[in-house]
Amino acid sequence: QVQLSQWGAGLLKPSETLSLTCAVHGGSFSGYYWNWIRQPPGKGLEWIGEINHGGSTNYNPSLRGRVTMSIDMSKNQYSLKLRSVTAADTAVYYCARCMFAELSMDVWGQGTTVTVSS
Amino acid sequence: DIQMTQSPSSLSASVGDRVTITCRSSQSISYYLNWYRQKPGKAPELLIYGASSLQTGVPSRFGGSGSGTDFTLTISSLQPEDFATYHCQQTYTIPRSFGQGTKLEIK
Repeated sequence: QVQLSQWGAGLLKPSETLSLTCAVHGGSFSGYYWNWIRQPPGKGLEWIGEINHGGSTNYNPSLRGRVTMSIDMSKNQYSLKLRSVTAADTAVYYCARCMFAELSMDVWGQGTTVTVSS
Repeated sequence: DIQMTQSPSSLSASVGDRVTITCRSSQSISYYLNWYRQKPGKAPELLIYGASSLQTGVPSRFGGSGSGTDFTLTISSLQPEDFATYHCQQTYTIPRSFGQGTKLEIK
């Protein structure tokens, strides 16, 4: 059974770069999109972007070019970088697997709380 | 971008009740609509994909319907673990947007 575990810095100052990594346990990278989603305190879910095993990416235009996703198949990991963070980027960040065929997110990481504060 | 609107934003119900949550998209998304349940402090879990297909392992009391712009999630008989927040998501196009969520509370 596939599991995702994620980690990264939980406290950032404005203008710093958020960096998170998600490890895939017990499954293959092929045939899926690997996603990042976030949830600000008390709010709904926001899709950040996705990457496939070939390294092709799709990002949410609302993040205005601040986001980069990468994949390291040798380590079964993928990563998120979000530059120039502000308080508005404070959220719980989730990694999630999205099936190619069904385009639905069937496996999620445990979430990482990221707080941006001076 | 496609906007997803859920209604109601919150509702109160009792164990055993039948409840329906609605999700409307700002343009047609065919059947590319998923439903998730999120318990407090936990990651979302997939319930329904493709508007009406039940994810493996999800109880049959959950059902989904709709296509185009209007979709519904029905829970036929509420159980204690169903008091949570429900999210719809379209995956028809990028960005893969979510609704604002529906919080289901115990009456």
